[in-house]
Amino acid sequence: EIVLTQSPATLSLSPGERATLSCRASQSVSSYLAWYQQKPGQAPRLLIYDASNRATGIPARFSGSGSGTDFTLTISSLEPEDFAVYYCQQRSNWPPAYTFGQGTKLEIK
Amino acid sequence: QVQLQQSGPGLVKPSQTLSLTCAISGDSVSSNSAAWNWIRQSPSRGLEWLGRTYYRSKWYNDYAVSVKSRITINPDTSKNQFSLQLNSVTPEDTAVYYCARDEVAVAGHAFDIWGQGTMVTVSS
Repeated sequence: EIVLTQSPATLSLSPGERATLSCRASQSVSSYLAWYQQKPGQAPRLLIYDASNRATGIPARFSGSGSGTDFTLTISSLEPEDFAVYYCQQRSNWPPAYTFGQGTKLEIK
Repeated sequence: QVQLQQSGPGLVKPSQTLSLTCAISGDSVSSNSAAWNWIRQSPSRGLEWLGRTYYRSKWYNDYAVSVKSRITINPDTSKNQFSLQLNSVTPEDTAVYYCARDEVAVAGHAFDIWGQGTMVTVSS
């Protein structure tokens, strides 16, 4: 099973600052890496798919990069509504499976 | 606009079967490009994919190794929905359960549409 490790576990920043979140895979996932945002009491919301493609309706301040085993989610200038938990997710072809990282909590400093 | 609406009990007794349903609007369970998934989330296990069903000229299912012996996901084309059955549950199966769509044509290999979530507690 491919394991995804996210860092840091918690990131404390202020509105307007730049956020950089990391996701490392235990083996190559090609570009099959997605990012989600989750707020309390809500389902995860897809932000980025295939490493760098923004999902429908996602603001341009969210961007994704990377391939193979190292991936990054960048939020260029934090808005108050961006403070949440962020997860990465990969899909492996065989056996077919999806795994998630343990999450990064982005909190207001 | 695609929406997923979950239904099912929030309390299940140990050793019994957990059953949830996910009704689809705005898309078809028989879509040739989508897959219909169940995912759960708990503090101890985080987000955990459980399995999926999808149609590509015939029906297929894939299940996570961790639950493969206990899980069944079935499509219901007459009601445009799909269901989850998890047998022989224990308190470790206590979690929020989500249904979700994986539509390659829209979002690669990611889950772009989610149900509202159902908190399921396994307790006597």
